[in-house]
Amino acid sequence: AQKITQTQPGMFVQEKEAVTLDCTYDTSDQSYGLFWYKQPSSGEMIFLIYQGSYDEQNATEGRYSLNFQKARKSANLVISASQLGDSAMYFCAMREATGNQFYFGTGTSLTVIP
Amino acid sequence: DGGITQSPKYLFRKEGQNVTLSCEQNLNHDAMYWYRQDPGQGLRLIYYSQIVNDFQKGDIAEGYSVSREKKESFPLTVTSAQKNPTAFYLCASSIDSRGTVGEQFFGPGTRLTVL
Repeated sequence: AQKITQTQPGMFVQEKEAVTLDCTYDTSDQSYGLFWYKQPSSGEMIFLIYQGSYDEQNATEGRYSLNFQKARKSANLVISASQLGDSAMYFCAMREATGNQFYFGTGTSLTVIP
Repeated sequence: DGGITQSPKYLFRKEGQNVTLSCEQNLNHDAMYWYRQDPGQGLRLIYYSQIVNDFQKGDIAEGYSVSREKKESFPLTVTSAQKNPTAFYLCASSIDSRGTVGEQFFGPGTRLTVL
């Protein structure tokens, strides 16, 4: 089974609007971490935000927030006030306390329309 | 500045040749990783290392080899046994390979093209 599932291959959003990128995960561990990365066309992977499984509040970093629904095993990324520079691939990832790997989803391509 | 460097940025190889991709980090991280990314695809794990002189195969290790003689260095060799090596290769590191906190830091990547 896939550890991380991103069901939206591509998304479009109007500039200045908010957008939600979906991510669901699969783990039997009680302790795990969830991450979101941005990959512009240059190829570099940029860390955006982290959520721990025991964190009671949703993580926020500037315009990024993580909508963490533990019972549903979802960790959606919300980008507020989209900017043209937000156009990129976005990857959701997870690491488990009992493991030693990071698991990545297949990514979502976000295009911000002026 | 601390970070991860990969060289070269672009690499061209003839079929049948081995080629080594460099990855160096000065973050004092214990764990290092190599990923392969094909166009429009996610990241697939090739090898990872938790500590010097130790490494484990990832999901697509066939045709690749690594070494970890120094904490800061984790070179990847793409051998002639790798049938379709043209791809984008990303090196990453993290403080350690266990636990749930601590994100991976990535290098800028190497684009390998087989001619």
